[in-house]
Amino acid sequence: AQSVTQLDSHVSVSEGTPVLLRCNYSSSYSPSLFWYVQHPNKGLQLLLKYTSAATLVKGINGFEAEFKKSETSFHLTKPSAHMSDAAEYFCVVSDVSGGYQKVTFGTGTKLQVIP
Amino acid sequence: DTEVTQTPKHLVMGMTNKKSLKCEQHMGHRAMYWYKQKAKKPPELMFVYSYEKLSINESVPSRFSPECPNSSLLNLHLHALQPEDSALYLCASSQDRPPGLAKNIQYFGAGTRLSVL
Repeated sequence: AQSVTQLDSHVSVSEGTPVLLRCNYSSSYSPSLFWYVQHPNKGLQLLLKYTSAATLVKGINGFEAEFKKSETSFHLTKPSAHMSDAAEYFCVVSDVSGGYQKVTFGTGTKLQVIP
Repeated sequence: DTEVTQTPKHLVMGMTNKKSLKCEQHMGHRAMYWYKQKAKKPPELMFVYSYEKLSINESVPSRFSPECPNSSLLNLHLHALQPEDSALYLCASSQDRPPGLAKNIQYFGAGTRLSVL
């Protein structure tokens, strides 16, 4: 069985400072991992994905994440926060179950950016 | 084009009404999904269609009835809903080509905000 844990339900940073959103996963196999962002009253937008290639993954809007198998982590980072980054972020683990793709969402981290 | 289009954006219905949500994609994806998202919670999977056939029903009450008329279109028919069914309903699609299923990206629509009175 797979699971994903987002360690912080709420993160607050000042504009221009680094962002760190933490995610740990559990999976029986070599997982695929994703980060999605959801702005208020919007759908989910893919930020980046890890699918067993390079462990450091670059995404859109300056975000990146590093897959660390030894730590079972896939933390999301950004060097400098913008006001527009304020949103809910979901870490997702993907596997195959019964011949179909099964994704498991973390509980989400709400990012607040203070001017 | 990575767009999944959902209509309507907002829907208010009474408990005796019948309404439908619509989802459309033109990316050639053969897997389509319905999710339900309550406030401050992650999306919860409801249904999965693969090649226009219902593959997964996550024990959803029968007052929700999905339909996949063709490979581009996914509907969710609603009847006799309860106030607790009020939520954001998200549609997603992805390729469905093994091997490598786990690597498939799910593309989400903007959702339909449903209020049941």
